[in-house]
Amino acid sequence: GAVVSQHPSWVICKSGTSVKIECRSLDFQATTMFWYRQFPKQSLMLMATSNEGSKATYEQGVEKDKFLINHASLTLSTLTVTSAHPEDSSFYICSASGGVDYGYTFGSGTRLTVV
Amino acid sequence: KQEVTQIPAALSVPEGENLVLNCSFTDSAIYNLQWFRQDPGKGLTSLLLIQSSQREQTSGRLNASLDKSSGRSTLYIAASQPGDSATYLCAVIKAAGNKLTFGGGTRVLVKP
Repeated sequence: GAVVSQHPSWVICKSGTSVKIECRSLDFQATTMFWYRQFPKQSLMLMATSNEGSKATYEQGVEKDKFLINHASLTLSTLTVTSAHPEDSSFYICSASGGVDYGYTFGSGTRLTVV
Repeated sequence: KQEVTQIPAALSVPEGENLVLNCSFTDSAIYNLQWFRQDPGKGLTSLLLIQSSQREQTSGRLNASLDKSSGRSTLYIAASQPGDSATYLCAVIKAAGNKLTFGGGTRVLVKP
């Protein structure tokens, strides 16, 4: 149990375009999901906490107008990178908690390359 | 503010040797601690979850201990195999539903 699916696994886009990444909890409901960014050989950096039915909570230094988060249902959160630039190229990972017994489960990540 | 530290940052061992990975945290008021494995270019795979009331958890060749009072957790991997090569991350959570606080990870290489 407690499976999180993330899509797409990789995406290449042109500078100035927007990219949407989906995170789904497959066998449980998640009122809260988390979005992370990871640079090569570094640990995960929390970007924002996605709350079902309300606004996301962004970490300090993360531009909320650039990284739009929508958590419209108990099983789906989306991260949209708007007007992407090469410096937004990174590995993005989502996670959710399947409950006390499962801890946190992570998606397989999305490799974004902006050219 | 909670800080999580993992030592060593990197570790290289010959196949068959036991692995000992350390994780320390500054605030002992944690809800639980979780160990993850990350392969290059992949997401995180949960290995073991230790509730704050527990002292250890075991799964196959993996054993993780938790000493809340001293702010430490240790992950033991017995009889290491080349397939154990990965980055291992520990993370703590202060309360249910809260965000995880990660350590910097230990990059492990098991040589055949």
